[in-house]
Amino acid sequence: KAGVTQTPRYLIKTRGQQVTLSCSPISGHRSVSWYQQTPGQGLQFLFEYFSETQRNKGNFPGRFSGRQFSNSRSEMNVSTLELGDSALYLCASSSRDLTTLNTEAFFGQGTRLTVV
Amino acid sequence: QKEVEQNSGPLSVPEGAIASLNCTYSDRGSQSFFWYRQYSGKSPELIMSIYSNGDKEDGRFTAQLNKASQYVSLLIRDSQPSDSATYLCAARDNYGQNFVFGPGTRLSVLP
Repeated sequence: KAGVTQTPRYLIKTRGQQVTLSCSPISGHRSVSWYQQTPGQGLQFLFEYFSETQRNKGNFPGRFSGRQFSNSRSEMNVSTLELGDSALYLCASSSRDLTTLNTEAFFGQGTRLTVV
Repeated sequence: QKEVEQNSGPLSVPEGAIASLNCTYSDRGSQSFFWYRQYSGKSPELIMSIYSNGDKEDGRFTAQLNKASQYVSLLIRDSQPSDSATYLCAARDNYGQNFVFGPGTRLSVLP
């Protein structure tokens, strides 16, 4: 059974540009959640999509957005990139939405974004 | 601000010993708790989840939860050098809004 697939693995962008990251969940999983990991702030929850609807959102500015398609694949977009957006972006796949007790989330390998 | 706290370490234990990792959380609404292992340069890997007070065992790993004390721990028995990694504790409430991760504890198992 294939795991969570994130593309691309590495990305270099310039300040002010925008970027789109992709995540394909484990087959049959309908929830995709996104996270930012930096050395200073650790792992922080961005948002969750379930059945094409955003269910939950963390404390990030509106420059961070996402969507989910009917096949459960999800994309995350960051507009007007800032140097501080340099981070490892992880997505996680779950069989149920994160409000369901006992739901476990499985991470992909991440996309390393560097903003210069 | 809802937080999960962990000792950043490094925690060093000899091979074969028991490693004890601790975590406290501030949100009393937290209902689900998770331990992830993250090797350097890799993504987090789920080790254990626990939702009820008490102990939960899976192989060499035992998770312990005490909601009254807002405390979660992970015990690793017969520690191996391959267990050397950063261990992340996470807490989540029933609304899914607050999926909060601790800063992680770096574990080093010495051969």
